[in-house]
Amino acid sequence: GAGVSQSPSNKVTEKGKDVELRCDPISGHTALYWYRQSLGQGLEFLIYFQGNSAPDKSGLPSDRFSAERTGGSVSTLTIQRTQQEDSAVYLCASSLGGTSTYEQYFGPGTRLTVT
Amino acid sequence: KQEVTQIPAALSVPEGENLVLNCSFTDSAIYNLQWFRQDPGKGLTSLLLIQSSQREQTSGRLNASLDKSSGRSTLYIAASQPGDSATYLCAVPPGNTGKLIFGQGTTLQVKP
Repeated sequence: GAGVSQSPSNKVTEKGKDVELRCDPISGHTALYWYRQSLGQGLEFLIYFQGNSAPDKSGLPSDRFSAERTGGSVSTLTIQRTQQEDSAVYLCASSLGGTSTYEQYFGPGTRLTVT
Repeated sequence: KQEVTQIPAALSVPEGENLVLNCSFTDSAIYNLQWFRQDPGKGLTSLLLIQSSQREQTSGRLNASLDKSSGRSTLYIAASQPGDSATYLCAVPPGNTGKLIFGQGTTLQVKP
């Protein structure tokens, strides 16, 4: 079956512009996660959605970052007024459930470059 | 606060060698530990998930062990092949949630 997909695969934007990154999870997976991978910080958790519960936003680095998940499926991560330090690979993952029991399946990532 | 450390950061071995990658975590009250593989420019592929009640998990040439009391896990790769070259990451959830805390990874190169 189809895995987690993300778009675009690469995004170059100018400092100060807004960007939207999209994630399509595996069908039937109720949990969806966003992570960021950068050279200096490694792989960091950003936010996760589980079913209809309020999202866990504890990893978002600033209020310029937000995410939504529509209809319990597709998710969009939005970064407003991008800064150079936002340059990273943004990875999305999904799992059957939102507890630690379930394996996470990752998408290929979106490489964001802020110039 | 849970911290995950992986040693070594990089490893280069000749083909055919057995090798061990290490992962340590500061808070032993974990629910499970997961090992991932990441190829350059790609996302993560889950290799093994060890529940806290288990001591090891095996998949093909891979064997992962977990010692919660000492805060350690090892990933053993038998008879390494050039196709095993990748970055290997371990991760633990902070509590019974799905979000993961990752180590910095070990980049493995297996030379033919």
